[in-house]
Parts: sequence; structure tokens; C-alpha cells
Amino acid sequence: GEDVEQSLFLSVREGDSSVINCTYTDSSSTYLYWYKQEPGAGLQLLTYIFSNMDMKQDQRLTVLLNKKDKHLSLRIADTQTGDSAIYFCAEGKAAGNKLTFGGGTRVLVKP
Amino acid sequence: GAGVSQSPSNKVTEKGKDVELRCDPISGHTALYWYRQSLGQGLEFLIYFQGNSAPDKSGLPSDRFSAERTGGSVSTLTIQRTQQEDSAVYLCASSRTVASTDTQYFGPGTRLTVL
Repeated sequence: GEDVEQSLFLSVREGDSSVINCTYTDSSSTYLYWYKQEPGAGLQLLTYIFSNMDMKQDQRLTVLLNKKDKHLSLRIADTQTGDSAIYFCAEGKAAGNKLTFGGGTRVLVKP
Repeated sequence: GAGVSQSPSNKVTEKGKDVELRCDPISGHTALYWYRQSLGQGLEFLIYFQGNSAPDKSGLPSDRFSAERTGGSVSTLTIQRTQQEDSAVYLCASSRTVASTDTQYFGPGTRLTVL
């Protein structure tokens, strides 16, 4: 079956790095995604990584993928108060790209 | 349009009533998805449409749920005989195609409350 899991909550001080972790079970996933959801807003795609890659960097965001352990992480460097949100990891399939989401990690950035 | 829009933004209904939720995808996007975000179940896939192909309804939780997409553009999600467990935020997303490389852009959602 398909299952994507994340920790529920992360508190971090402004300026520090945040690391959000995610595990998944379906080895046939083609792409893995990180979405951000701010209060009252829709889901915003932050970044994604193809399953045959192990790292992707995009400005302050670094995605690490350990395919053997089915572990995905998102590192946010120099975390800002505007980064406070819920972060969802998701996996997509080749057929139809139906996304399976984790439960979301609420990140609270303290000044 | 500039983004995916959904209406209404909020809907309160009584148990047993039918509701219709609307999604306007980004112009030119052939793929349209419905997801549901609820406290108990998190974010879950419901249905997707791709062009003129038959929709993938594999995520619909019961036969009270149905969706259609007219003219390859606007989509309506209908819930018949609503139950309290249907209370959730219903999210619509569209993408250029169903390819994994095509980003799904999400609308702001419709918050449904069933009393």
C-alpha cells in the first residue's frame, strides 16, 4: 500500500536551518514533491526531485533523497518568519501523477 | 486565468442535502484533479480528468460523490446526501498534462461544513 509519513511539528529559531523529514513506502514513485501551505491559502509547490536523483538545491531549499531507505528531507537554510507554514511531502506516480501526501509538518519560526 | 479558482470558498449545509463545488482550472491545462483535506484523513486524492479520457475515479470515497468536467475546462464535484464526515476542504488542482514533470497548481479550496 501507499503511505507517506511526516513528523507533526517543528519549531526553529529565525536564521537557523530547518530540516523536515518524510518517509514513503511505494518504491515505484517517480517524483517526490514538497508543498507549502500557509493559513487560508492553497498548496504551493516548493520543489520536487526525480526518484533517480539524490539531491537537489534551489536557493535556500535543499532536498535530499535516500531511495534505499525511502527517506526524503527538505532543508531550509536561514529560516525566516515567512517560512512558518505547513509543509507536505508527496509522491507521484508515472500514470496520472496522482499525488499521495504525508500528513504535513507544521513549522513554527520563532524570532 | 491567473490561477485555479474555486467556488464557493465556504459552504455550510445540512446533513442529507446535496452540494456542488466548482473548479475553474488554469486555461489550457488538460489535467484537473480533486483532493480532499480533512482532519482525520489528511490530504487525499479523489478523482482526476485528463483531456477526453475517462476520469480516474479511484479515490472517490463512496457513490455519493461524483464529478464532471464540461468542455474540458470547468469541473463540478457533487456530493449527494451529505454526511458530517464529508466536512473537509476540497481542493482542486490543474496541470498542463498528467506528466510527472508538469506542476499541479492548487486552488484555494472550498471549505465544506456539514451540520
